[in-house]
Amino acid sequence: SQTIHQWPATLVQPVGSPLSLECTVEGTSNPNLYWYRQAAGRGLQLLFYSVGIGQISSEVPQNLSASRPQDRQFILSSKKLLLSDSGFYLCAWSTGGSGNTIYFGEGSWLTVV
Amino acid sequence: AQSVTQLDSHVSVSEGTPVLLRCNYSSSYSPSLFWYVQHPNKGLQLLLKYTSAATLVKGINGFEAEFKKSETSFHLTKPSAHMSDAAEYFCVVSGSGGYQKVTFGTGTKLQVIP
Repeated sequence: SQTIHQWPATLVQPVGSPLSLECTVEGTSNPNLYWYRQAAGRGLQLLFYSVGIGQISSEVPQNLSASRPQDRQFILSSKKLLLSDSGFYLCAWSTGGSGNTIYFGEGSWLTVV
Repeated sequence: AQSVTQLDSHVSVSEGTPVLLRCNYSSSYSPSLFWYVQHPNKGLQLLLKYTSAATLVKGINGFEAEFKKSETSFHLTKPSAHMSDAAEYFCVVSGSGGYQKVTFGTGTKLQVIP
């Protein structure tokens, strides 16, 4: 069966520090991968998606970046965090094509102080 | 273009009474529709999905939803609420194409009163 792992679960970082959140998927090949952010009291915002290794698309301008160094690995990064980067970050995957279910990781709480 | 509207940001019900969480959508394609549940500080768990088969979809934990094309609705229901149902629920519409364009509603927080 397929599983998705995301870490760290919680993170407190000072403003201006770097960020790295990692996500891996097991039990499937060539998944679509996603990073979402859920700010307090708001819905989910798609940040990045990837349909293959090295293929990253950004949905919104920001100081975050994403990379996919391996088929089932997706990394969210920042060189310098802002206070507004605080939130709940969710990694997700799906198989290709329309109508397929998106499966989510357990999320990572980021607090920028 | 596609969008999804969850009509209530908060719903409060008594334990043992029915649950109704409302969702309306718009889509240029024949959409796929999903409901997810999120418990505090957790990821999202799939409750059920509609992908152009039966219009009445049964999901986990006794939830079901009915796709009504004429009303562009996909409301989530449960006959009898349980305390463990207290969570936030998201309605999601997915379009067609090689990249799966997914749009989330803003969520409905369900409170269950003992």
